Amino acid sequence: DQQVKQNSPSLSVQEGRISILNCDYTNSMFDYFLWYKKYPAEGPTFLISISSIKDKNEDGRFTVFLNKSAKHLSLHIVPSQPGDSAVYFCAASGHSGTYKYIFGTGTRLKVLA
Amino acid sequence: DAGVIQSPRHEVTEMGQEVTLRCKPISGHDYLFWYRQTMMRGLELLIYFNNNVPIDDSGMPEDRFSAKMPNASFSTLKIQPSEPRDSAVYFCASSARLGDGGNEQFFGPGTRLTVL
Repeated sequence: DQQVKQNSPSLSVQEGRISILNCDYTNSMFDYFLWYKKYPAEGPTFLISISSIKDKNEDGRFTVFLNKSAKHLSLHIVPSQPGDSAVYFCAASGHSGTYKYIFGTGTRLKVLA
Repeated sequence: DAGVIQSPRHEVTEMGQEVTLRCKPISGHDYLFWYRQTMMRGLELLIYFNNNVPIDDSGMPEDRFSAKMPNASFSTLKIQPSEPRDSAVYFCASSARLGDGGNEQFFGPGTRLTVL
């Protein structure tokens, strides 16, 4: 049973527009969430994280929003750039400090020039 | 630092053969993780170590899979015998202890395993 779900396997966005990637989770004990980005033939790299005590965390063009009541988080990329084209994985952990992450299946983002 | 190093990058083998994947974590990192990536299940955690000791191996699919970490700079994931359904990309990742930069895990480039 997938505890972390990314229901959109792919997404295409025009350069300069906003990209919104979504992630849902089922376990209410999760309290730390991360996004990783993965280019072909490379390992995933950390992008941004958020603790459950917050509902928003921003880093440059990347913002993660957390809605605990809906068990939903989203990653916004504004403005989108062709170099953002990659697979994005959402991950969650049971409590801050644990090292066991549950990853989603990923969303492939394609930013069109 | 060279980052997490994995070898080989690609492995093609026949069903029934033994496969050994290797990982060198980032120096100074106390935690090491083995993941498997498939289209259907995404990134699955197989096992992780803390200070060379296996902490959680609940993700290891079956007894055909085993992992060791004989020292702080080396780990292996072995599949014996291998089966076609083991075909996937296997990632190794490492992480510093909490407080030294947080929970970020650093991934290696992965080993693409194909079992014929």
